[in-house]
Amino acid sequence: DQQVKQNSPSLSVQEGRISILNCDYTNSMFDYFLWYKKYPAEGPTFLISISSIKDKNEDGRFTVFLNKSAKHLSLHIVPSQPGDSAVYFCAASAPSNTGKLIFGQGTTLQVKP
Amino acid sequence: NAGVTQTPKFQVLKTGQSMTLQCAQDMNHEYMSWYRQDPGMGLRLIHYSVGAGITDQGEVPNGYNVSRSTTEDFPLRLLSAAPSQTSVYFCASSYGGRNGEKLFFGSGTQLSVL
Repeated sequence: DQQVKQNSPSLSVQEGRISILNCDYTNSMFDYFLWYKKYPAEGPTFLISISSIKDKNEDGRFTVFLNKSAKHLSLHIVPSQPGDSAVYFCAASAPSNTGKLIFGQGTTLQVKP
Repeated sequence: NAGVTQTPKFQVLKTGQSMTLQCAQDMNHEYMSWYRQDPGMGLRLIHYSVGAGITDQGEVPNGYNVSRSTTEDFPLRLLSAAPSQTSVYFCASSYGGRNGEKLFFGSGTQLSVL
């Protein structure tokens, strides 16, 4: 039973445009959400996070939006750059399971020059 | 600054063999964990530790064993390798508390079980 789902395996956008990656979750106990980025042959790296007390968090070109009622979060990348081409994972955790992240399946983003 | 170091990077095993994947971190992190990455499945938690001497099971613990005798090291043991354990394995570490979710990952071990 997948508690965190990324239903789009891949996404292709033009350089300079917006990339929107989506993530849905089922466990209402999740209260902290993160996005990780992964290049081939490397480990994932932390990108941005959001607590359930917020509905938006920005860091430069990256913004994460959280819709608790829909159990949905999204990552916006504006403007997209070719170096953003990677696999993006969303992850979630619950207060009772600190440090125990549940990941989605990942979305492969390709940004075309 | 090494961060999280995993060895080996690649390994081929025969069914039934045992081996240990090594993981070491030099950031004095309390939390350490092991994930496996499979196509279409994302990253799944195998085992994790919130400090030396304390370990717990994740989503997919069967066939794996861990121990944490020091803060720095968190080895993952495959007791009797099976083809279903063919995967890429990632070790991660983090600070404690809610910041523990900001994991620092190693570069991975690609394991094939024939």
